[in-house]
Amino acid sequence: EDQVTQSPEALRLQEGESSSLNCSYTVSGLRGLFWYRQDPGKGPEFLFTLYSAGEEKEKERLKATLTKKESFLHITAPKPEDSATYLCAVGDNQGGKLIFGQGTELSVKP
Amino acid sequence: KAGVTQTPRYLIKTRGQQVTLSCSPISGHRSVSWYQQTPGQGLQFLFEYFSETQRNKGNFPGRFSGRQFSNSRSEMNVSTLELGDSALYLCASSIGQGGNSPLHFGNGTRLTVT
Repeated sequence: EDQVTQSPEALRLQEGESSSLNCSYTVSGLRGLFWYRQDPGKGPEFLFTLYSAGEEKEKERLKATLTKKESFLHITAPKPEDSATYLCAVGDNQGGKLIFGQGTELSVKP
Repeated sequence: KAGVTQTPRYLIKTRGQQVTLSCSPISGHRSVSWYQQTPGQGLQFLFEYFSETQRNKGNFPGRFSGRQFSNSRSEMNVSTLELGDSALYLCASSIGQGGNSPLHFGNGTRLTVT
C-alpha cells in the first residue's frame, strides 16, 4: 500500500537554527514528490516538485532533496515567517491523485 | 493570475442535509481535484476531473460526488450529511494530471455538520 510518513510531527527552532524535515515514502512507481507549505486557515501552497533520485531544488532558505526512499526539506537560517505546516506528497503510477503525509508543524521563535 | 477560488468559505449544515461546494480553477488548468482535510486523517483524495470526465476516485462513499463543467469549473456534492463529514474541503487545479503535475490549492470550504 502506498504510504507517506513525515517526521518529526512538530519542530521548534530558534531563528537562525538550521534543520531538516524528513519524508519517507513507499509507492508503486513514483511519478513525482511534492512539498507544500500550509498556513493556518489556508490551503497548501506549492513549493517544489522532485521527480528522480538525486534531484535537488532550492528556494530562498529551503532546499529539497530526493532519494529512492525519502526526501528531505532543509531549512537554512529560518525566520519566524517560515513557521507553518510542511506537507509532503507523492504521486503514484495510478495517476490523478497525491498521497499526503501528516505534515511537520514548524515553529520558529525569534 | 488569479488562483483557485472556492465558495463558500464556511458552511454550517445539519445532519441529513446535502451541500454543494464550488471551485473555479486557475485559468488554463483543465484538471481539478478535490481533497478532504481533517486533523485525524490529514489530506485525503476525493476525486479528479479532467475535461468534464472523472478520471480517478478515492475511497469515499457514494454520498460524495462531483462534476466538472466545460469551462473547467467544478462542484462537489455531499448528500445525507453525517457528523464525520465535518472537514476542510480543498479544491486544486493543475495543468496536467494530478499525480505528476503540481497541484495548486484554493483556501478551502470549512464544512461543519451539526
